[in-house]
Amino acid sequence: QSALTQPPSASGSPGQSVTISCTGTSSDVGAYNYVSWYQQHPGKAPKLIIYEVNERPSGVPDRFSGSKSGNTASLTVSGLQAEDEADYYCSSYAGYNIQWVFGGGTKLTVL
Amino acid sequence: EVQLVESGGGLVQPGGSLRLSCAVSGVTFSTGWMTWVRQAPGKGLEWVANIKPDGSEKHYVDSVKGRFTISRDNAKNSLYLQMNSLRAEDTAVYYCARDLSWSLGYWGQGTLVTVSS
Repeated sequence: QSALTQPPSASGSPGQSVTISCTGTSSDVGAYNYVSWYQQHPGKAPKLIIYEVNERPSGVPDRFSGSKSGNTASLTVSGLQAEDEADYYCSSYAGYNIQWVFGGGTKLTVL
Repeated sequence: EVQLVESGGGLVQPGGSLRLSCAVSGVTFSTGWMTWVRQAPGKGLEWVANIKPDGSEKHYVDSVKGRFTISRDNAKNSLYLQMNSLRAEDTAVYYCARDLSWSLGYWGQGTLVTVSS
């Protein structure tokens, strides 16, 4: 079960936008619209911020948005704020036999 | 308020066993897939296992097949992970999570499992 590919780090200044990519294959990201994104602050549990590619759970600011093109999904954080500094993980359904795969995570730094 | 509370972690020798539990409240436990995810120290998230609402279907990551068993008790709103033949590489924080529209919508705070002699 191969992990999805994310850049190890990303950064932006307050107020700017940053996009984090998540590259999979035609068997996971490319095959299903079941891509989700999780935010994890140090020492805390992950928190769901995007599900089904571009849906936001209740309470998640609309500064967070998701998209997908082919085998690559993306998370965009607009209007960066200091509290957005965290690790971000993507995940995708990968079919009956493999079930779920995660990306390696991206550390977002707000400069 | 939805709460997931894991317990049962600790220090165990290689080859040993542990049983993790996850108590769920504030959400209808019996209608959702439940999942275990782990995170080795300083590493990323790894999906470990999941179980269908009625317990009839279970899936595992290859590295734990034959060693770990996921189960649930809907009457007790509880999820379990029986871990046998533990290895050093199983050392991680183990999180339980409940599904929300094909994602992991609710997470516990995690329980640390350390496999070391």
